[in-house]
Amino acid sequence: SQELEQSPQSLIVQEGKNLTINCTSSKTLYGLYWYKQKYGEGLIFLMMLQKGGEEKSHEKITAKLDEKKQQSSLHITASQPSHAGIYLCGADMGRGSTLGRLYFGRGTQLTVWP
Amino acid sequence: EPEVTQTPSHQVTQMGQEVILRCVPISNHLYFYWYRQILGQKVEFLVSFYNNEISEKSEIFDDQFSVERPDGSNFTLKIRSTKLEDSAMYFCASYPLATSSYNSPLHFGNGTRLTVT
Repeated sequence: SQELEQSPQSLIVQEGKNLTINCTSSKTLYGLYWYKQKYGEGLIFLMMLQKGGEEKSHEKITAKLDEKKQQSSLHITASQPSHAGIYLCGADMGRGSTLGRLYFGRGTQLTVWP
Repeated sequence: EPEVTQTPSHQVTQMGQEVILRCVPISNHLYFYWYRQILGQKVEFLVSFYNNEISEKSEIFDDQFSVERPDGSNFTLKIRSTKLEDSAMYFCASYPLATSSYNSPLHFGNGTRLTVT
């Protein structure tokens, strides 16, 4: 089965600092999704990456998928308290796997203090 | 923007009781899913549903679980005889038309928190 390792498990940063969250797969990824979750709430879609070397940005969040498609990073620039939450990466294994079946990492708990 | 909606947001039930969790997927989506997240653990796939039948289910989805699309809009997850370990957040998700699916994200609802006492 697919295993996704996220690091770090938790991150505490001061407002305005940059940070990076990593997601490493044991297998080649067909697609990699980043979601944000507030504790006990739903999953908010952030970004989806499919091509090796792909990079996407939205506001102050940038996500990259490496060339081998086994590792992704999520980078937040000039963090704000609104960025606080749990960041989850989810992997789509593509062919041979049911469409929409994602395997998730354990999440990274981000705290941003003023 | 269209949303996946789930009801109720919280459900408390006694062990052994049946529960039905309800979801209204996005209207033009064709693939439907249930995931669950036990507190402090990973989000886990339970089942996928397409063309009025289950397309895949995980080992978690045993005979106590069933899914149904009773009409054109609702998608339900039934747990026949709840156990303490069924306590979790249950997420419904949907996926758009197949031809565009790999360019679109999986849309999740806000979840139903199920507590079995």
